[in-house]
Amino acid sequence: KAGVTQTPRYLIKTRGQQVTLSCSPISGHRSVSWYQQTPGQGLQFLFEYFSETQRNKGNFPGRFSGRQFSNSRSEMNVSTLELGDSALYLCASRSGTNTDTQYFGPGTRLTVL
Amino acid sequence: AQSVTQLGSHVSVSEGALVLLRCNYSSSVPPYLFWYVQYPNQGLQLLLKYTSAATLVKGINGFEAEFKKSETSFHLTKPSAHMSDAAEYFCAVSATGANNLFFGTGTRLTVIP
Repeated sequence: KAGVTQTPRYLIKTRGQQVTLSCSPISGHRSVSWYQQTPGQGLQFLFEYFSETQRNKGNFPGRFSGRQFSNSRSEMNVSTLELGDSALYLCASRSGTNTDTQYFGPGTRLTVL
Repeated sequence: AQSVTQLGSHVSVSEGALVLLRCNYSSSVPPYLFWYVQYPNQGLQLLLKYTSAATLVKGINGFEAEFKKSETSFHLTKPSAHMSDAAEYFCAVSATGANNLFFGTGTRLTVIP
């Protein structure tokens, strides 16, 4: 099975712009979670989608949003970018039950100038 | 609430020596515990997980971890370090039935030839 894929792998944006990141889960997986990784804050949970519904949300401002499509692919959007949004954004998928392992993609490296 | 503390942001060992990476958790409910490894410019790869079955968990690449409830610990060990083990290691916890992972700050392992 192909693993979790994320596109693009690298992005450079300027402050005030918005950005959309994409994640394709492992085939058959219905749950997609997003995490932000920064040197200062480490790995932090953003949100999880399951069957097109947001199931859980971390402590991030409303500028961070996401959605999931019927084929389980997910997108994450960040509006009005700030310098502090520079990070590695990781997507993880699992089949859906809470005991399942989350499998991570390679991440999208976002740089905000 | 769940949290994880990883003692030692950097650990250096000689090739062939014992690897010991420390993780202590806090959880108000029975936890699920995980160790992930991250190589440069890559996502996270699961090494092993504890989900309330056997307290000694064996993972990939010769790693294992022991769940000790009395010490609230889940330390990662490997009897003999290999150069390819050099990476960053993350301990994570989730509550039984929860959807998101809470990560420690990571431990960077250096293997000295």
